[in-house]
Amino acid sequence: SYELTQPLSVSVALGQTAKITCGGNNIGSKNVHWYQQKPGQAPVLVIYRDTMRPSGIPERFSGSNSGNTATLTIITAQAGDEADYYCQVWDSSTAAVFGGGTKVTVL
Amino acid sequence: QVHLVESGGGLVKPGGSLRLSCAASGFTFSDYYMSWIRQAPGKGLEWVSCIGSSGRTIYYADTVKGRFTISRDNAKTSLYLEMNSLRAEDTAVYYCARDPGEPRNFDYWGQGTLVTVSS
Repeated sequence: SYELTQPLSVSVALGQTAKITCGGNNIGSKNVHWYQQKPGQAPVLVIYRDTMRPSGIPERFSGSNSGNTATLTIITAQAGDEADYYCQVWDSSTAAVFGGGTKVTVL
Repeated sequence: QVHLVESGGGLVKPGGSLRLSCAASGFTFSDYYMSWIRQAPGKGLEWVSCIGSSGRTIYYADTVKGRFTISRDNAKTSLYLEMNSLRAEDTAVYYCARDPGEPRNFDYWGQGTLVTVSS
């Protein structure tokens, strides 16, 4: 079965850049999607198809995907960006797969 | 706007059954795949099952295969999850989510319904 690996936590200073990684075997050949989940709320799609932003998602959020690592980047981090972030792919043998999630703390 | 509202959660004993529903509005329900995704308390997201737009295509996670059944009623714009032989490890918030198609992702989510399996 296909697995996705994320760091448990990432800290970023207010106004700086946060990078959240998602590791998987040859993940660069797959479409990666990212979700933001704030406490007590449902997840929200913030990046789809590696780099695309849904309407309403700030340009501060961007994605990349190559080789064995996909990355979600948040520039000019704000207090409101504190949340759990999950990557997700669709695998032909496993169907939908989520990473374990990364807690982002803005200092 | 897209609106998904889950219902049917509650407390059930191990080995028991429960049926979850998800009422959809604000989009052409019959055009979309739909999924159930769950989140155990304090844990990450786990995809459970998805169903194609017509109901003919269905996938299940190995953890629920043979115990859960997904279905939909396009006339009622509703999604369902029949859960049998429930275990303590099925305790979670269950979300329904819309899948806009290739590449497969989840662009809208409901607020979730809590299922607690405990004696």
